Formats: sequence, C-alpha cells, structure tokens
Amino acid sequence: RKEVEQDPGPFNVPEGATVAFNCTYSNSASQSFFWYRQDCRKEPKLLMSVYSSGNEDGRFTAQLNRASQYISLLIRDSKLSDSATYLCVVIEGTGGFKTIFGAGTRLFVKA
Amino acid sequence: DTGVSQNPRHKITKRGQNVTFRCDPISEHNRLYWYRQTLGQGPEFLTYFQNEAQLEKSRLLSDRFSAERPKGSFSTLEIQRTEQGDSAMYLCASSHDSQKGQTEAFFGQGTRLTVV
Repeated sequence: RKEVEQDPGPFNVPEGATVAFNCTYSNSASQSFFWYRQDCRKEPKLLMSVYSSGNEDGRFTAQLNRASQYISLLIRDSKLSDSATYLCVVIEGTGGFKTIFGAGTRLFVKA
Repeated sequence: DTGVSQNPRHKITKRGQNVTFRCDPISEHNRLYWYRQTLGQGPEFLTYFQNEAQLEKSRLLSDRFSAERPKGSFSTLEIQRTEQGDSAMYLCASSHDSQKGQTEAFFGQGTRLTVV
C-alpha cells in the first residue's frame, strides 16, 4: 500500500461546480497534513494546511479524519484558474520527519 | 532571499556522465528535502537533511546518488554514471522545524535532467 494515495483523476468539471478530492494515508503516526497545488511544469505550492477541526479558505475547505486516515479538499464555485494538479501531503513523525506527497489529482475546469 | 533557488534549471547529459545539482534553501530553514518527479506523478521523496545531518534516505536513492549539506546551508545532489531512467525533474524544498512545529515546505523551481 502506498504511503499516501489519491485518485489521479482527471476530474473534468464545468465552471461553478463543486468538486471534492480525497486522500488516504497509511501511517497513523502522521502529524501534519497539507494540500499543495502544482501547475503544469511548475513547482508545487502550498494551497492550505489541514487541521483536525477542519478549515476553510474562501472557496476551499479542507477536512481531516484521523480515525479513518483520510484528508479531503472541497472546492466550491470552480474557476478556470483552479485547473491544476492537487497534491496531498503528509508529514510523518515516526523516527524522522519525512514529507510524503501523493501522486496528485488532476482537475480541469471548463468554461 | 526570496525563496528556494536551484541550479542549473536544465541539464542535458550523456548516459554514463556524472551530474551535480545545487540547492540554496530559504536562509533560516533548517530542513532541506530532495524529491524527484516524473511526468504525471507526484514528487517522490529522495532524502532530507536536518541542518547538516542527512536523517533519511529513500530506497529510491541508489548508490549512484549522493547528497550533501556540508555547512547546513546549501545542498548538492550528485548522480554518478547517469542512466536514461534518471531523467526527471529534481526538486529541492526547505522548511523550518522548531518547538512550535514545522512550517510547510517551500519548493525551488527544480532542475530538469535529461539523460540522452
């Protein structure tokens, strides 16, 4: 089983749609969680951190479920500019503090 | 210091040659990571440093790969006897770990290696 798993997609949605991505992680001792965004041929950039209580940043909502070991990202009112690959990121805390990336979920938002 | 800097941005080399990449992290960051990314995949962890100490290496890092961070600042990643399968984007990232916790990782723009 991969340390961090994501549905690769692609997700093709119209502008204005709501889309949700899930990510599961295998190490129950994982400590910190993030969503990164990566545009084509660019480096990954932090989108938002994920907190146990859930957090929202504008049209984006992130949730963490430690019991089930999954993280979610919800995008409301999708924009064309949201088209990118969304990477789930987990920081493991067992013995070393390793940052593990999922393979990413590709999103295409169409007019 | 505006971010993580990597050079060269692009490298084309013949199979069997050695290559070395450099990463300059954000100056106050004590953690430095190397990742490899191929088309359609997320970044794959290679190794990371806490200051000058290399704390973890992925099994992806064969004996042809070596990384150093001699003074706890910049880092180099060397690949010896390159193979075509080494062609990828090599990403460096840095973060800061303190008693307050760990900041998110900030990435450089990467070095794209092509082995011909």
